[in-house]
Amino acid sequence: DAGITQSPRHKVTETGTPVTLRCHQTENHRYMYWYRQDPGHGLRLIHYSYGVKDTDKGEVSDGYSVSRSKTEDFLLTLESATSSQTSVYFCAIRKRGGEELFFGEGSRLTVL
Amino acid sequence: DAKTTQPPSMDCAEGRAANLPCNHSTISGNEYVYWYRQIHSQGPQYIIHGLKNNETNEMASLIITEDRKSSTLILPHATLRDTAVYYCIVDLNAGGTSYGKLTFGQGTILTVHP
Repeated sequence: DAGITQSPRHKVTETGTPVTLRCHQTENHRYMYWYRQDPGHGLRLIHYSYGVKDTDKGEVSDGYSVSRSKTEDFLLTLESATSSQTSVYFCAIRKRGGEELFFGEGSRLTVL
Repeated sequence: DAKTTQPPSMDCAEGRAANLPCNHSTISGNEYVYWYRQIHSQGPQYIIHGLKNNETNEMASLIITEDRKSSTLILPHATLRDTAVYYCIVDLNAGGTSYGKLTFGQGTILTVHP
């Protein structure tokens, strides 16, 4: 258990509405990541963070923004949700000195 | 472009060894091989990683060929709970410029049957 909490775990919203997913960690880890998972695509990196206010894009960052104003929270925002953003979103952290990622339980987002 | 190639699915009998192959012919000298798995609807779980030497931990063994172009994950005594999607990934380690971000491919669906 790496102390990762994702919220909300399930959300249904309408096209064009803003959505924010939150990843919260309790162990002060530097690196945090957002992935999305879709059938036929495996997991794809959206954005990642290597410190407070330090973020960078992954391979599928279009339509997403992130913010990390404090170590424990990494927020993923969909400014105007589209049906193509219906997915399961996973947050992950990397522990200091470790090589592996630890993942949260996922947030299932449905955009109607 | 995919860095790794894995078979889409494999079967294994409970109690037998499960050997999951992965091809990574374009791996560079400073890239590691990582293995993760994902049990249905859960977040992925780290299994093992290695650079060039074979590695073993409490979950599995990792065999990397001498030319590093392929590897095999071995679950020595598979159980029903090992049924999952297994991902083979190559990437720089956490100290590398990629900050260790891992790109997951399609993976191998391993089904362990009684």
